Amino acid sequence: SQQGEEDPQALSIQEGENATMNCSYKTSINNLQWYRQNSGRGLVHLILIRSNEREKHSGRLRVTLDTSKKSSSLLITASRAADTASYFCATASGSARQLTFGSGTQLTVLP
Amino acid sequence: SQTIHQWPATLVQPVGSPLSLECTVEGTSNPNLYWYRQAAGRGLQLLFYSVGIGQISSEVPQNLSASRPQDRQFILSSKKLLLSDSGFYLCAWSVARGANVLTFGAGSRLTVL
Repeated sequence: SQQGEEDPQALSIQEGENATMNCSYKTSINNLQWYRQNSGRGLVHLILIRSNEREKHSGRLRVTLDTSKKSSSLLITASRAADTASYFCATASGSARQLTFGSGTQLTVLP
Repeated sequence: SQTIHQWPATLVQPVGSPLSLECTVEGTSNPNLYWYRQAAGRGLQLLFYSVGIGQISSEVPQNLSASRPQDRQFILSSKKLLLSDSGFYLCAWSVARGANVLTFGAGSRLTVL
């Protein structure tokens, strides 16, 4: 079953603009992760935020987590055409050893 | 460094034929191993995961099975494929203890005709 749901499903922006994607989930989590998938390829881990953290940065990526609202956002600043990909949030809960992925946001960055 | 290999990359099979997808991990010991399936334009559905040799947990009852004959080898199989088995299959691994950060293989595209 899908734990996380990304919003929007698709996003198209111009190069240089910022892109914001949101993720909502249903149950308590240990951590929330964001992954990127280029078309037809495997997923690549981008960033992890723990349940006791509110914000995390990595290069042009900024992730926030609001556990009271069970939501997270991924901000990509100064987007580039190479950022075009699908972005997925994934949650780790309790003692479970597996991640539950959302349905993803398709980001298109136009040159 | 750790690497993950998954093959074949592309497979076209008739309905009713068998399936075998293989995944191997190098550079680590006792990894957690996972098989996910991704339908076109959709998220990932966890099919199986394994925390050790011969230990397989199934998340979704279906036409598929998994085996882990060696520590770093994970195999996805079917005796008779269905049309609904078509999709993009992804193998992944994570360290046995930790935050469950997954490293994925490049994926196997299965088309059942």
